[in-house]
Amino acid sequence: QKEVEQNSGPLSVPEGAIASLNCTYSDRVSQSFFWYRQYSGKSPELIMSIYSNGDKEDGRFTAQLNKASQYVSLLIRDSQPSDSATYLCAVNHKAAGNKLTFGGGTRVLVKP
Amino acid sequence: DTGVSQDPRHKITKRGQNVTFRCDPISEHNRLYWYRQTLGQGPEFLTYFQNEAQLEKSRLLSDRFSAERPKGSFSTLEIQRTEQGDSAMYLCASSFGTDYQPQHFGDGTRLSIL
Repeated sequence: QKEVEQNSGPLSVPEGAIASLNCTYSDRVSQSFFWYRQYSGKSPELIMSIYSNGDKEDGRFTAQLNKASQYVSLLIRDSQPSDSATYLCAVNHKAAGNKLTFGGGTRVLVKP
Repeated sequence: DTGVSQDPRHKITKRGQNVTFRCDPISEHNRLYWYRQTLGQGPEFLTYFQNEAQLEKSRLLSDRFSAERPKGSFSTLEIQRTEQGDSAMYLCASSFGTDYQPQHFGDGTRLSIL
């Protein structure tokens, strides 16, 4: 079992719709969670961080964390063609030296 | 805040040659990380520094790989006797020195082994 798992996609959504991305992790002591966006050929760009159970909203993005279920999700509201990218889920915990463990990413395609 | 800077952006070399990459972190950040990413995969952790101290190395980091951060500012990653399997994007990230801080990535160095 991979430490961080994501559906590879592609997740195809029409412009203006909500894109819902999921991520599960295996290490119960994981303590911080991040979503990165990566355009093809580019480096990961941080879009959200979440540390506590519940929802965190930032503009069109909402991150949701459920530590009991070891599950973190990202919602993208009013999806735009510019949101077409790979979204990487990353987790870390202090005991792992603060390194990030990444999922394989979910590719999102927003169709006009 | 000028962001994390990596040099070179691309490196093409023949198998068996040595290569060195440089990373300049965000100036206020005292933690610096190296990751490797291959096509279709998420980045994989290689090593990290707090100031000049190298605190953790992945088992992925064979003896051919070495990283330094001599003055706690920029870092170098050297790969000796490159192999085909070393072809990847090498990413550097930096963060503040307290736990759970987000890591910010540079543009990466894409290494191609001929």
